[in-house]
Amino acid sequence: EIVLTQSPGTLSLSPGERATLSCRASQRVSSNYLVWYQQKPGQAPRLLIYGASSRATGIPDRFIGSGSGTDFTLTISRLEPEDFAVYYCQQYGSSPWTFGQGTKVEIK
Amino acid sequence: QITLKESGPTLVKPTQTLTLTCSFSGFSLTTTGVGVGWIRQPPGKALEWLALIYWDDDKRYSPSLKNRLTITKDTSKNQVVLTMTNMDPVDTATYYCAHRADYNFFDYWGQGTLVTVSS
Repeated sequence: EIVLTQSPGTLSLSPGERATLSCRASQRVSSNYLVWYQQKPGQAPRLLIYGASSRATGIPDRFIGSGSGTDFTLTISRLEPEDFAVYYCQQYGSSPWTFGQGTKVEIK
Repeated sequence: QITLKESGPTLVKPTQTLTLTCSFSGFSLTTTGVGVGWIRQPPGKALEWLALIYWDDDKRYSPSLKNRLTITKDTSKNQVVLTMTNMDPVDTATYYCAHRADYNFFDYWGQGTLVTVSS
């Protein structure tokens, strides 16, 4: 089973700042099959990025996914007020499909 | 558009069996590549994948819960059912069903249903 470790646990930033979130896998993620979700309180997760770097439909271009192998990054180039949320990575390269423990992006 | 909605009991007692239904619209579980998965989230904690059923009736389960889970589909009703046996308070969580298209991630999610396990 691939274990995904997200860091930091919490990121305290101001609107307009850049957010950099990390997702590290315990072993190589096949074909870079990694996604990022955003989750706001009381809501279901929302797909942001798939295939490590492809934005899902309707996702603003300030959300940028990158990385390969075992190290992946989600960058939010300029934080908007609606971006403060919890972000999860998930690998779908090998079963069982696993999630990271999440990174909370909070307003500083 | 694709929508999914979970239904089932909000409270179950320890040792009971939980049965959750995912009712969906906007896609068919007979279409090649399509699947429906279940994911849960204990209060304040991370997401955990539970099970996935594919258009061809292939099924995948989380190894840690495999002995307790069963996933089935009823394509005529556009429903997927998840049963989990021997419920325990640690199974208290919001349970989500979600749409899988071509790859094993989830692009559409239901709103989730909170299940509490308590005597």
